[in-house]
Amino acid sequence: NAGVMQNPRHLVRRRGQEARLRCSPMKGHSHVYWYRQLPEEGLKFMVYLQKENIIDESGMPKERFSAEFPKEGPSILRIQQVVRGDSAAYFCASPAPGSSYNEQFFGPGTRLTVL
Amino acid sequence: AQTVTQSQPEMSVQEAETVTLSCTYDTSESDYYLFWYKQPPSRQMILVIRQEAYKQQNATENRFSVNFQKAAKSFSLKISDSQLGDAAMYFCAYRSLERSNYKLTFGKGTLLTVNP
Repeated sequence: NAGVMQNPRHLVRRRGQEARLRCSPMKGHSHVYWYRQLPEEGLKFMVYLQKENIIDESGMPKERFSAEFPKEGPSILRIQQVVRGDSAAYFCASPAPGSSYNEQFFGPGTRLTVL
Repeated sequence: AQTVTQSQPEMSVQEAETVTLSCTYDTSESDYYLFWYKQPPSRQMILVIRQEAYKQQNATENRFSVNFQKAAKSFSLKISDSQLGDAAMYFCAYRSLERSNYKLTFGKGTLLTVNP
């Protein structure tokens, strides 16, 4: 959905570098969900954040991955010392304001390639 | 923890024909939502249809309809009058209603090819 913005759309990093992925939820919304889609796989939940709070990080790898959603600015998913296995599409999603189902609308994704 | 299984990695259908994609799930919860998402080559995730578990009536959205069998934990998607634009990956997803965390659990997807 055009309301959820992600950048960059494509990101290339060499092994050992850091990757920063940004997500701005639908206007007026303060909830963000991050998902990872490995090649040939479905999306897997990583972390759920509200402004300045991590609500559920049960899907986050224990090392090298972190996420934040500051009071001002977009949510950031940070991957330190990237490895080839981090190559994937990373999606963020935001509940649709006013939806009785609170269904999630997804951004276009960031495709991370680790060389 | 909930799991979602899509047993058909690939399906194909002739244009204008009907195809059914399968999805089963495992949960101990009584209230939940089920969704079908479409992912075309652009990779954008597009919501196709949703179903509330407490509703017995199957959801329909134009050419898309579901067959929801709660006791069997089955949630299949039927696409009628298939069009070339329906070609995509289709993901079944589960969401709990028993907490305010709306995270989705996805199946591995079914790649649908539409033949002209």
